[in-house]
Amino acid sequence: GAVVSQHPSWVICKSGTSVKIECRSLDFQATTMFWYRQFPKQSLMLMATSNEGSKATYEQGVEKDKFLINHASLTLSTLTVTSAHPEDSSFYICSAGSDRGPKTQYFGPGTRLLVL
Amino acid sequence: GDSVTQMEGPVTLSEEAFLTINCTYTATGYPSLFWYVQYPGEGLQLLLKATKADDKGSNKGFEATYRKETTSFHLEKGSVQVSDSAVYFCALSTGNQFYFGTGTSLTVIP
Repeated sequence: GAVVSQHPSWVICKSGTSVKIECRSLDFQATTMFWYRQFPKQSLMLMATSNEGSKATYEQGVEKDKFLINHASLTLSTLTVTSAHPEDSSFYICSAGSDRGPKTQYFGPGTRLLVL
Repeated sequence: GDSVTQMEGPVTLSEEAFLTINCTYTATGYPSLFWYVQYPGEGLQLLLKATKADDKGSNKGFEATYRKETTSFHLEKGSVQVSDSAVYFCALSTGNQFYFGTGTSLTVIP
């Protein structure tokens, strides 16, 4: 099946630093990628939808200047958490929409961010 | 709007017990329905899906049937194993947008 990778899988950083998370579709072209945030024991919260070559569409309440998303190619999207603070600590999961119908999202393994 | 309502957990079962996790949906149009599984510390994995009414998705002994008349997509397994312990998410898609249920935590004890 379709494979989506995320890097890094774990990151610990100091408050005030910026962290970049990469999401790659390894064996298919993903014109659309999604970024989710998951709090402990809760469901996924969609943060933004990114389409290759255009600006991301952010969900209501998500700060676009805080969470910078870039979708530079059909296989790579990045999420940068700028000036991270402890409340940004979470599990971030990306997914990619496959070009193989019917429409299905394939999820990356997630990146756990801990901001000290 | 579109939404998914999922049975609240946590659910604890003995090994070889029968599992049902209820999922109902509200959608305009004709959604595709999915079950995803999340093992501890990992991302989501697609477990099974159904794209039209009366379709049955199945994988690893799990089954779910797309019931348009009851707007349901209940997940079932006849005999659970300890390795099935995970969080299960029901989801629907009417296009590129996905809507997830809140997740149901399942623990299977030996």
